[in-house]
Amino acid sequence: GAGVSQSPSNKVTEKGKDVELRCDPISGHTALYWYRQRLGQGLEFLIYFQGNSAPDKSGLPSDRFSAERTGESVSTLTIQRTQQEDSAVYLCASSLGGGPSYEQYFGPGTRLTVT
Amino acid sequence: RKEVEQDPGPFNVPEGATVAFNCTYSNSASQSFFWYRQDCRKEPKLLMSVYSSGNEDGRFTAQLNRASQYISLLIRDSKLSDSATYLCVGYFSGSARQLTFGSGTQLTVLP
Repeated sequence: GAGVSQSPSNKVTEKGKDVELRCDPISGHTALYWYRQRLGQGLEFLIYFQGNSAPDKSGLPSDRFSAERTGESVSTLTIQRTQQEDSAVYLCASSLGGGPSYEQYFGPGTRLTVT
Repeated sequence: RKEVEQDPGPFNVPEGATVAFNCTYSNSASQSFFWYRQDCRKEPKLLMSVYSSGNEDGRFTAQLNRASQYISLLIRDSKLSDSATYLCVGYFSGSARQLTFGSGTQLTVLP
């Protein structure tokens, strides 16, 4: 079946511009996660959605970052007034449920470059 | 201090060698651990969960030592296709149901 998909695969933007990244989770997966991975680094948790519960935004690095999810489907991550330090790969993952009992399946990521 | 720490490597080993990676964690309120594999410029994929009793999956053996707060991954008879970055991942109680990833250990298996 179809895996997690993300778009765009690559995005180059100028400093100060807003960007919107999209994630399509696996159908039926109630949990959705966004992570950021800087070059040579591990994954940093950004935000977590589970069903209709309030999202866990504890990983968002600043108020320039926000994310939405429509029901249990598509999610968008928005970065306003991008800065060069926002350059990274943004990975989305989904799982059947929340917590460690459920394997997270990752999308291919969006590589964001802020010039 | 990072919650999950790994030696970044790189580990360069010949084909057929046995290689071991360790990972330490600082949060004793740990619940579960995993090893993920990430190929160059690809997304991470779950390799195996780590159980206190130790678990094996083919050539891969994972161990968890709660007393010393470290996790290990042993790869026997390494293959060229094992070349990747191996991410140690922990799930800690109170972390709001999200995983904490180490920075990864890079492995290159040489012909």
